[in-house]
Amino acid sequence: DAGITQSPRHKVTETGTPVTLRCHQTENHRYMYWYRQDPGHGLRLIHYSYGVKDTDKGEVSDGYSVSRSKTEDFLLTLESATSSQTSVYFCAIGRGTGLAGATGELFFGEGSRLTVL
Amino acid sequence: QKEVEQNSGPLSVPEGAIASLNCTYSDRVSQSFFWYRQYSGKSPELIMSIYSNGDKEDGRFTAQLNKASQYVSLLIRDSQPSDSATYLCAVKRPGNTGKLIFGQGTTLQVKP
Repeated sequence: DAGITQSPRHKVTETGTPVTLRCHQTENHRYMYWYRQDPGHGLRLIHYSYGVKDTDKGEVSDGYSVSRSKTEDFLLTLESATSSQTSVYFCAIGRGTGLAGATGELFFGEGSRLTVL
Repeated sequence: QKEVEQNSGPLSVPEGAIASLNCTYSDRVSQSFFWYRQYSGKSPELIMSIYSNGDKEDGRFTAQLNKASQYVSLLIRDSQPSDSATYLCAVKRPGNTGKLIFGQGTTLQVKP
């Protein structure tokens, strides 16, 4: 158990409303990631973080923002949800310390299923 | 061309057989490769990582890497019904951020 919890696990919202998904880890990992998973597209990286207040974009970042004010929490925000953002969102933590960086070995949370009507 | 390609399947094998899952990637400078298993409705879990050409064995699983051919495979020996899942191939982008590019996954069905 990598000590990752995501909340909420399920959410239904309406187009145009803001949504925030939370990822919480208990193991002090530096690297955290948000992916979305859709049929036909697999897992795609939205944003990632390599430390407190250090974040960067992934391949599908449009319409999403993130924040990391504490090591243990990585928040994903949809400022104005659209139907195209209906998806399953996975948070992951990555192993890796020091100058070598992240290894690519990821441990995923249980996922948050978001439906935008 | 997708950066990481897998046949979506389903790949169906009888119990006890060898299941062979394949993956190709486009970026020649990639150095780190991973196989994740995802049961239906669950999150992906890491089962194998491989960094050097050749084979890497872990129990019933063998990962094979051929960088010249840009090809990664996963062999599952003595397949069990509990191996039925989607297997995701992932390639790490160069650099130290740990960013992975995933294939779409191959669904494996092991029939008793």
